[in-house]
Amino acid sequence: AQSVTQLGSHVSVSEGALVLLRCNYSSSVPPYLFWYVQYPNQGLQLLLKYTTGATLVKGINGFEAEFKKSETSFHLTKPSAHMSDAAEYFCAVSDRGTGGFKTIFGAGTRLFVKA
Amino acid sequence: GAVVSQHPSWVICKSGTSVKIECRSLDFQATTMFWYRQFPKQSLMLMATSNEGSKATYEQGVEKDKFLINHASLTLSTLTVTSAHPEDSSFYICSARPAGGVYNEQFFGPGTRLTVL
Repeated sequence: AQSVTQLGSHVSVSEGALVLLRCNYSSSVPPYLFWYVQYPNQGLQLLLKYTTGATLVKGINGFEAEFKKSETSFHLTKPSAHMSDAAEYFCAVSDRGTGGFKTIFGAGTRLFVKA
Repeated sequence: GAVVSQHPSWVICKSGTSVKIECRSLDFQATTMFWYRQFPKQSLMLMATSNEGSKATYEQGVEKDKFLINHASLTLSTLTVTSAHPEDSSFYICSARPAGGVYNEQFFGPGTRLTVL
């Protein structure tokens, strides 16, 4: 069965500092991995995804994530935080099971950016 | 491209009434749509998977008679919360997977805030 663990429900960084949001997953088959961002009272916006191929994937707004199979991780990073990055971030895993594709979301990490 | 809309964006209703929420893919066809529920400061919980022209598949613990899902066309799915009660108050989000999509990439609607008094 799939599962997603996001370490840290809250992360606080200073503007300009490195952003690191951690995600570990479990999946019985090669997974598709996603990071989404959610602003208050809004739906989810896809930041980036890993499907196959290059393990370092770049997304929108300067974010990137690296798929590490040996560590079952898909951590999200951004070199320099901006105030507008403050939001809720969800890691998600999706694979094809007997019931078809299903996506499981992590609990979310709220990112705070301090001026 | 790949825009999903939801209507209404928020709704307040009295206990015992039914509420319908629409999810539309505006610029693509979606053979599969998903309905999620999100409680404050929590993650998204998948309620059901809706395939066009067939019955929805509900997740364990979700009452199918309570949450009626209809996916009548490739661009529209509806969720009806029947006989709503205060515990049904939540943020409901739909997503749509484009026809022919390979990696289960979903595009999310903006959500509907339901408050049951």
